[in-house]
Amino acid sequence: AQSVTQPDIHITVSEGASLELRCNYSYGATPYLFWYVQSPGQGLQLLLKYFSGDTLVQGIKGFEAEFKRSQSSFNLRKPSVHWSDAAEYFCAVGPLGYGGSQGNLIFGKGTKLSVKP
Amino acid sequence: KAGVTQTPRYLIKTRGQQVTLSCSPISGHRSVSWYQQTPGQGLQFLFEYFSETQRNKGNFPGRFSGRQFSNSRSEMNVSTLELGDSALYLCASSMGGTGGYEQYFGPGTRLTVT
Repeated sequence: AQSVTQPDIHITVSEGASLELRCNYSYGATPYLFWYVQSPGQGLQLLLKYFSGDTLVQGIKGFEAEFKRSQSSFNLRKPSVHWSDAAEYFCAVGPLGYGGSQGNLIFGKGTKLSVKP
Repeated sequence: KAGVTQTPRYLIKTRGQQVTLSCSPISGHRSVSWYQQTPGQGLQFLFEYFSETQRNKGNFPGRFSGRQFSNSRSEMNVSTLELGDSALYLCASSMGGTGGYEQYFGPGTRLTVT
């Protein structure tokens, strides 16, 4: 069965430090991959997506992610974290459903990011 | 463009009642998906509608149902509410055709069942 694993439940980094959030997926083919961010009490905001092509994708707010097929990973990175980045981050896989449906995203359990001043 | 809107934002219901949640997608988007988010189970897919037809369905009991109107607005209904239905219900919209389209999420409806 398809699944997404985010091994880190909670990460704390100092402001200005670099960040890497891990995501591994299990899927029979190359899926569509996404990273979303959720602030408390809010919906999900799309940070970036990978459909095909260049395996290093750039997103909003200075985030980037790298797709590694051999490792079934799609890790999110940011070179310098800001206090406003404190939130929960979700990795998601979008399988092709019946009739080309993209409506079914499978999410990881999320990684909560805390930022120390 | 306006984002995805969901109404109401907060709801308190009693066990056994039913509830209807509403979602208005981004203009031009034809696909609407619904997700349930709880601390224990995380984000789980409920169902997807495209052009007024349910195209995909998650593993939820029949008490959870939905529909989509000709203007792409969608509603989901939960009948005979249980305490475990307390959750944040998120709606997402996308262009929806074949191929890869990202989903954009609304702010959610927080449902509390007492």
